[in-house]
Amino acid sequence: NAGVTQTPKFQVLKTGQSMTLQCAQDMNHEYMSWYRQDPGMGLRLIHYSVGAGITDQGEVPNGYNVSRSTTEDFPLRLLSAAPSQTSVYFCASSYSISAFTYNEQFFGPGTRLTVL
Amino acid sequence: TQLLEQSPQFLSIQEGENLTVYCNSSSVFSSLQWYRQEPGEGPVLLVTVVTGGEVKKLKRLTFQFGDARKDSSLHITAAQPGDTGLYLCAGAGQAGTALIFGKGTTLSVSS
Repeated sequence: NAGVTQTPKFQVLKTGQSMTLQCAQDMNHEYMSWYRQDPGMGLRLIHYSVGAGITDQGEVPNGYNVSRSTTEDFPLRLLSAAPSQTSVYFCASSYSISAFTYNEQFFGPGTRLTVL
Repeated sequence: TQLLEQSPQFLSIQEGENLTVYCNSSSVFSSLQWYRQEPGEGPVLLVTVVTGGEVKKLKRLTFQFGDARKDSSLHITAAQPGDTGLYLCAGAGQAGTALIFGKGTTLSVSS
């Protein structure tokens, strides 16, 4: 198993450009999510999905779109990049979630995005 | 909004010392997880605690979940340089639909 893969590893954008960060997992996990990590801010949830065709917003969704057409893939789209979106982006997946306990979250290696 | 506060934010110690880091909230969590993140990589799960008062040990690491399930601690005995990293606690959010992370404790262990 490759686990959770993310591409690209590094990206530089100009303000106003759009792009898609790719995330894929080969563990047949239902739950997938996107986080951004900024110094001193920890991991903040952007969007998440509990299964194919189902997505929802997290703590900081503005400026980002997601879709989940397959179980394996969960791309994150930046509509019009801004310098405030400079960050490290992590995709994560887990087998399932419930109100009572959490399965292990498997994280990808991250995408380091700079917006000039 | 459920929040997880971690302390201290930074910790720099010598090899062989003991340390404790804390994860606190005013909210009750159904479970808490601890992750460690090394530079340039994603977080990796260390442990999940689900029962109030639960204590779990992972070699030199001891994790405790508070009786009221609002707080947790991580104690490291005889720290080693390999323990260096960012330690994050995470809790199951309301209705179990979002995992909430604290801001983390950055640990540096020098030899």
